[in-house]
Amino acid sequence: AQSVSQHNHHVILSEAASLELGCNYSYGGTVNLFWYVQYPGQHLQLLLKYFSGDPLVKGIKGFEAEFIKSKFSFNLRKPSVQWSDTAEYFCAVKTLSGGSYIPTFGRGTSLIVHP
Amino acid sequence: DTGVSQDPRHKITKRGQNVTFRCDPISEHNRLYWYRQTLGQGPEFLTYFQNEAQLEKSRLLSNRFSAERPKGSFSTLEIQRTEQGDSAMYLCASSLGEQGNAYEQYFGPGTRLTVT
Repeated sequence: AQSVSQHNHHVILSEAASLELGCNYSYGGTVNLFWYVQYPGQHLQLLLKYFSGDPLVKGIKGFEAEFIKSKFSFNLRKPSVQWSDTAEYFCAVKTLSGGSYIPTFGRGTSLIVHP
Repeated sequence: DTGVSQDPRHKITKRGQNVTFRCDPISEHNRLYWYRQTLGQGPEFLTYFQNEAQLEKSRLLSNRFSAERPKGSFSTLEIQRTEQGDSAMYLCASSLGEQGNAYEQYFGPGTRLTVT
């Protein structure tokens, strides 16, 4: 069965530090890849997505992610975090099943940024 | 607000009771998804609709759970004979997309269910 692993469950950083959150998935077929963010008290919202093409994708608020097919990875990065980036981050993978895409989410990474 | 809405936001019920949740998607979205999320976990796919047709159901979805989208607009998720293990946040999301394509999903605020 398809699975998504986020190895960092809790990350604590100071402002201006660089961020990299890992995401690995187990499916070898066609995938669409997403990172979602949930700020305290708010809905899940999309940060960025990869469907095809350039494996380096840029999202909102200075985030980017790189799809490395050979490593089954889609790590999220930001060169300099801000206090407002404190949130829960979820990696999600959609795999093709019977002609439709079924989404699988990782368990999430809680990021706390100290001012 | 033209986003995805869910009602109620919170529900406390006693074990064995039935509960029903409602989701109103973004109006032009033809796909609607239901997820369950427990503490410390990511959203877990339950089922999804393309217009009024229920196209996929998770094997994790027991026969106590049923979902409908009768007119291809709002959807309801019913849980019969609730159990304490059903306590979770139930999320709804909607998206554009024909079968075989994948578009980003817009999530609602969720309904938090507590079974006592």
